[in-house]
Amino acid sequence: QKEVEQDPGPLSVPEGAIVSLNCTYSNSAFQYFMWYRQYSRKGPELLMYTYSSGNKEDGRFTAQVDKSSKYISLFIRDSQPSDSATYLCAILNQGGSEKLVFGKGTKLTVNP
Amino acid sequence: NAGVTQTPKFQVLKTGQSMTLQCAQDMNHEYMSWYRQDPGMGLRLIHYSVGAGITDQGEVPNGYNVSRSTTEDFPLRLLSAAPSQTSVYFCASSYRGTGYNYGYTFGSGTRLTVV
Repeated sequence: QKEVEQDPGPLSVPEGAIVSLNCTYSNSAFQYFMWYRQYSRKGPELLMYTYSSGNKEDGRFTAQVDKSSKYISLFIRDSQPSDSATYLCAILNQGGSEKLVFGKGTKLTVNP
Repeated sequence: NAGVTQTPKFQVLKTGQSMTLQCAQDMNHEYMSWYRQDPGMGLRLIHYSVGAGITDQGEVPNGYNVSRSTTEDFPLRLLSAAPSQTSVYFCASSYRGTGYNYGYTFGSGTRLTVV
């Protein structure tokens, strides 16, 4: 079983829609969860970072972690064409290796 | 500008050739990693380092070699290029401050084609 599973999509939504992106993970010891955004032919950039369970909000973006079900989510409100990108969930194996393990990424297109 | 610098941006190799992908960061980050990204496969960890002189294998290390003699540099060597190594390669770095790792900063990537 892979450490992080993510539905690769693609996902296509109209402008203004609420977008939900999801991942599951296998190791209940993980505590640091990240979402990266990657525009076409660019490097990934850190979008959101959460520790343990709960929600974290930043503008139109909300990251949510449910440790009981080992499920992480990213919500985008009032989606814009500029949000069109690939979104990658990642889990940091903190304490020693500090390895960052990624899901496969979900390609999102927001249509005007 | 501060960040992670990767060179070259593009490279075409013939099967069997060797080459080194360069990665440098000027943020004094202790942790550095190399990933490859292939369609439908996401980012897969090749090798990583937790500090100068310390490296370890990731998920897909075969055919690649790394060393880390300084904090700033983390080169990736392809020993004998194969078409299966055609990919986009990303280098990333991070640090741990006040007990937290604040996430990795990525370079802009190297697009490698092996023919």
